[in-house]
Amino acid sequence: NAGVTQTPKFRVLKTGQSMTLLCAQDMNHEYMYWYRQDPGMGLRLIHYSVGEGTTAKGEVPDGYNVSRLKKQNFLLGLESAAPSQTSVYFCASSQLMSQPRGTQYFGPGTRLLVL
Amino acid sequence: DAKTTQPPSMDCAEGRAANLPCNHSTISGNEYVYWYRQIHSQGPQYIIHGLKNNETNEMASLIITEDRKSSTLILPHATLRDTAVYYCIADPYSSASKIIFGSGTRLSIRP
Repeated sequence: NAGVTQTPKFRVLKTGQSMTLLCAQDMNHEYMYWYRQDPGMGLRLIHYSVGEGTTAKGEVPDGYNVSRLKKQNFLLGLESAAPSQTSVYFCASSQLMSQPRGTQYFGPGTRLLVL
Repeated sequence: DAKTTQPPSMDCAEGRAANLPCNHSTISGNEYVYWYRQIHSQGPQYIIHGLKNNETNEMASLIITEDRKSSTLILPHATLRDTAVYYCIADPYSSASKIIFGSGTRLSIRP
């Protein structure tokens, strides 16, 4: 099992450019999440999904869109990148039924720099 | 969702027990207490969780007060590899509500 993987690991964007971050999990988990972490800060939830075809807003959703077309994949899109979106992005997944939902498995992160 | 409060930083001597406190005075009856840690910008790692009873696994022990308003994570024999930021989270079971990580406690282990 690879667990949770994220692509790419690092990216530099210019202001106004767009990009998509890909998260994939091979644990057949129902829940998937996208977080951002700014330097010296805790994680903040951007969007999450409770199952294939569903998405919901988290704590800081503005400027981001997400899609969950397949159960194993959760995509995070930046339509027009801004310097304030410079951050480390973590994806996570968790199983709904076999254990309390809060046990999340995290990916290694994507470091994004917006110039 | 209950909010948790943790000290911003702590330190502990290598080989000693590290006791990390967490206050969750507004926790409701169906909210589990979870602990995660994050080592040097890696993805957070699950440590342990509990509802009412004390719990122990190969990584740590979790002591929850009888009124459930606070808990303590215990690393019995801290090593340098335990240096990390530790997050305490209160999370309702099988709910789609938002999970709040907070700022955590930065634990430093002294050689």
